[in-house]
Amino acid sequence: NAGVMQNPRHLVRRRGQEARLRCSPMKGHSHVYWYRQLPEEGLKFMVYLQKENIIDESGMPKERFSAEFPKEGPSILRIQQVVRGDSAAYFCASSGEGFETQYFGPGTRLLVL
Amino acid sequence: DAKTTQPTSMDCAEGRAANLPCNHSTISGNEYVYWYRQIHSQGPQYIIHGLKNNETNEMASLIITEDRKSSTLILPHATLRDTAVYYCIVRAYQTGANNLFFGTGTRLTVIP
Repeated sequence: NAGVMQNPRHLVRRRGQEARLRCSPMKGHSHVYWYRQLPEEGLKFMVYLQKENIIDESGMPKERFSAEFPKEGPSILRIQQVVRGDSAAYFCASSGEGFETQYFGPGTRLLVL
Repeated sequence: DAKTTQPTSMDCAEGRAANLPCNHSTISGNEYVYWYRQIHSQGPQYIIHGLKNNETNEMASLIITEDRKSSTLILPHATLRDTAVYYCIVRAYQTGANNLFFGTGTRLTVIP
């Protein structure tokens, strides 16, 4: 019974490059959430998606960040033109329905040089 | 946005019960109390949740006061692997507002 999977687990990018983070929800789950954790801080909500729909993106930075959850395949969090301040752990969670318990993946650690 | 208050840190002797308190004095009638923990920067792990009644599962027990303004997470026999940051989160079930707000949590250290 596979849990939430995220890849890559670690990602190193130079300033100005693009970062693509992938999240495969638990089997049977159709709701995906992305959170970001800056060093020594708590997790902060970024975006909530269902298949092919963005439900709530109130936590997403206005520029350079985008997310999608296509009909087929994993959810993707995309960061364009990364800056050093984007260095963080990015966690994905999934749930069966929107109001059900969220289960988290192991995270992707992004380091921007 | 913080709707919960937790002590910054706690220690617990290995094998003893760990009792982690949480205050949520402004909780609404449709809001649940959730507990997660994060072990050394791993992904948060769901522990337990409840609305009014006390709850127990294989990991922990959740005691919610009758007025629902506070709760206690109980790990009955703490082990060294329970050392983690524990987050108490108040969450309403409503369409389109399903994000979890993680505060600073309680850093629990289990001492051998």
